Amino acid sequence: EVQLVESGGGLVEPGGSLRLSCVASGFTYTSYTMNWVRQAPGRGLEWIAYFSGGPGAMSHADSVKGRFSVSRDNAGKSLHLQMNSLRVEDTAVYYCARSYCSDATCYGTFDMWGRGTMVTVSS
Amino acid sequence: DIQMTQSPSTVSASVGDRVTITCRASQSVRNWLAWFQQTPGKAPKFLIYKASSLESGVPSRFSGSGFGTEFTLTISGLQPDDSGTYYCQQFDDFPWTFGQGTKVEIK
Repeated sequence: EVQLVESGGGLVEPGGSLRLSCVASGFTYTSYTMNWVRQAPGRGLEWIAYFSGGPGAMSHADSVKGRFSVSRDNAGKSLHLQMNSLRVEDTAVYYCARSYCSDATCYGTFDMWGRGTMVTVSS
Repeated sequence: DIQMTQSPSTVSASVGDRVTITCRASQSVRNWLAWFQQTPGKAPKFLIYKASSLESGVPSRFSGSGFGTEFTLTISGLQPDDSGTYYCQQFDDFPWTFGQGTKVEIK
């Protein structure tokens, strides 16, 4: 079964750090770009980071650049998000999402999502 | 960043009705547009990509159209399972951005 399972969320104080993980199964992990997308309570969706499968390219949204860092472990079929200097506005459900890929090209949309992990930043 | 604007914010319709949701981009995204459905407490579900291509396993009552700056998602014959919030998303230009969502309610 194709599956993405996130972990690592929780309650943290402003300025604190947290590391999220996502473990993939059921597909050829190295063939896919992987992403983090978040959703603040009652709000819409915001893409925040990707890490490509092949050449190792990565990028972050401006809202998290310099504070968050995405990484991946192909052997462990996992994706990680190191979150530092957390702010109240980072409170959200964080989803791991697989990029839609076709004919060896991956695109900036998402055909598979995990169930998400909740991050709450509060004092 | 490309702004994506959906209308209406909420639509209430009866089972069997035809429902249309509009998504407008602040600049052309060609056909690099996707639609997602999200039900409460669940992750988004990928419905349509490249504006009009139906993802495998998605019922044929869902269809998408449009190019450039204006797009539509149509549900032909609304079913109870179709309630939820629908999001459009552009992937033509970085950063990829989503619309604010349209809530579909069943009367």
